Amino acid sequence: DTGVSQNPRHKITKRGQNVTFRCDPISEHNRLYWYRQTLGQGPEFLTYFQNEAQLEKSRLLSDRFSAERPKGSFSTLEIQRTEQGDSAMYLCASSPGGHNEQFFGPGTRLTVL
Amino acid sequence: GEDVEQSLFLSVREGDSSVINCTYTDSSSTYLYWYKQEPGAGLQLLTYIFSNMDMKQDQRLTVLLNKKDKHLSLRIADTQTGDSAIYFCAEIVDSGGGADGLTFGKGTHLIIQP
Repeated sequence: DTGVSQNPRHKITKRGQNVTFRCDPISEHNRLYWYRQTLGQGPEFLTYFQNEAQLEKSRLLSDRFSAERPKGSFSTLEIQRTEQGDSAMYLCASSPGGHNEQFFGPGTRLTVL
Repeated sequence: GEDVEQSLFLSVREGDSSVINCTYTDSSSTYLYWYKQEPGAGLQLLTYIFSNMDMKQDQRLTVLLNKKDKHLSLRIADTQTGDSAIYFCAEIVDSGGGADGLTFGKGTHLIIQP
């Protein structure tokens, strides 16, 4: 399968712990996006990479959130000192550019106890 | 500011056409998209339309764009039970310096009655 993959699919953690999620985009897609989706809402844009450059990070929800894409391929999203309000689905998408079609992965569901 | 509005629910009979509506506020939107999300699944891109187009048709799907009223619609012909899902409208503004993220509506739950 050559779609966007995300790991893990589910993560349960205790409040105050750090968590890291991984996203592997579709091969040769140079754009990679992170979103958060809470129950009953549409996805909310967090950050965006073009190759290894993080071009937009002002939408990250707080300074506890950070993302990297060190070699322009896979990306990681880290949340430090998790809070119960961080419980959500974290979605990754990639795009080849052009018409900016974004193809989404299955998401990582985070539950903070 | 950016805002995308959708009605939350739409109920249609199997075999009828479904029309899902969306309004947006950013007049500089470059592309507008429709995504489908089934329970427990990720978002599936259905179709998109460029802002200088009025209509786009793709098999059972027809997208209409009224740029003056900032209104977008998705028509699904001959609605089937497999069309039951949440449908999201989304917009993007591409200023030419690299696209920003999508702004999504809250989604419309399409309910199919037998």
